[in-house]
Amino acid sequence: DIQMTQSPSSVSASVGDRVTITCRASQGISSWLTWYQHKPGRAPKLLIYAASTLQSGVPSRFSGTWSGTDFTLTISSLQPEDFATYYCQQANSFPWTFGQGTKVEVK
Amino acid sequence: EVQLLESGGTLVQPGGSLRLSCAASGFAFSSSAMTWVRQAPGKGLEWISAISGGGEATYYTDSVKGRFTISRDNFRNTLYLQMSSLRAEDTAIYYCAHTARVQGLSRVWNYYGMDVWGQGTTVTVSS
Repeated sequence: DIQMTQSPSSVSASVGDRVTITCRASQGISSWLTWYQHKPGRAPKLLIYAASTLQSGVPSRFSGTWSGTDFTLTISSLQPEDFATYYCQQANSFPWTFGQGTKVEVK
Repeated sequence: EVQLLESGGTLVQPGGSLRLSCAASGFAFSSSAMTWVRQAPGKGLEWISAISGGGEATYYTDSVKGRFTISRDNFRNTLYLQMSSLRAEDTAIYYCAHTARVQGLSRVWNYYGMDVWGQGTTVTVSS
């Protein structure tokens, strides 16, 4: 199975900060990497797919990049509603696998 | 409006069985691949199973293979997860989700994630 390793596991930030989250795949997954936002008590929300394509309706402050097996989610200017846990997920091959999550907390 | 509504979660003893259901509405269910994802208390998201639109192809993570069975009834627009030989580590919120796809240059459909989720149903495995 493909292992997805996210870092950091948590990050403390303030509104307006630029936040970067990294996800590394244990083997090549092409660009088949999806990012989600998850808030307690709510269903996860798909943000970005194919490493860099913004899902419809997602604010443009979210962006994704990739190089080889390294993927990055960037929030350019953190907003109050962005405090949540973020997960990457590979869709290159079954079983699909998630990273362990990165919690974005209030500094 | 696209909606997914899970049901069937409850308290069950170790070794027991349970069937979860997910009622879908607002989209072409029979042509949509579907997925189950779970989140154990204090843990992250775990992809556990997926099924093609017609039900002919199924996929599982190793930890549930041989114990869980995903299926669907396209006449009832309902997705199922039959769980058996349940363990304490199966305790989690179980989400059903619509599996999103995009058509590539070769007109092949590529599935990439879960774009619509239910609110989840809670399964607790405990004596």
